[in-house]
Amino acid sequence: KAGVTQTPRYLIKTRGQQVTLSCSPISGHRSVSWYQQTPGQGLQFLFEYFSETQRNKGNFPGRFSGRQFSNSRSEMNVSTLELGDSALYLCASSTGQYTDTQYFGPGTRLTVL
Amino acid sequence: DAKTTQPNSMESNEEEPVHLPCNHSTISGTDYIHWYRQLPSQGPEYVIHGLTSNVNNRMASLAIAEDRKSSTLILHRATLRDAAVYYCILRGEYGGSQGNLIFGKGTKLSVKP
Repeated sequence: KAGVTQTPRYLIKTRGQQVTLSCSPISGHRSVSWYQQTPGQGLQFLFEYFSETQRNKGNFPGRFSGRQFSNSRSEMNVSTLELGDSALYLCASSTGQYTDTQYFGPGTRLTVL
Repeated sequence: DAKTTQPNSMESNEEEPVHLPCNHSTISGTDYIHWYRQLPSQGPEYVIHGLTSNVNNRMASLAIAEDRKSSTLILHRATLRDAAVYYCILRGEYGGSQGNLIFGKGTKLSVKP
């Protein structure tokens, strides 16, 4: 089975721009969660999508949004980028059961200049 | 949210056993104890999880205290490839986590040859 894939792997943007990151989950998985990892804050939960609906949301501003398509692929969007948005963005897929294993992708490294 | 407490760092020698402790005194009866690890430049990966009984898999063993207020991840023979940050996470359907992974700082394990 193919693992979780994320595109692009690296991205450089400037302040004020917006960015869209993509995540393809493991085949058959209906849940996709997004996390932000920074040296200062560590790994933080952004939001989770299950069957095209946002099921849970972390404590991030509205500039961070996401969506999920009928094939379970997910995108997250960050608008009006700030320097502090520079981070590794990870997505994880699972079957959707609350305590099921989450399988992480390699992440997208976003640098905001 | 139920919180976990782990040592910031630990050192081990190659081919020796490693015991990584985790305290979770506020665990609820329905919380599972999950362990993930993050190798350098990779996304986190699942290691093991349990509810009440001790658990074993090909990667590690999980020893859970009888009162469930603490647990220990056991790597039976550490290898250089086990050098990573290990996260102890409580997951449950109810409460703040709603099944999502709430990462703490984790324990950075160094393995010496």
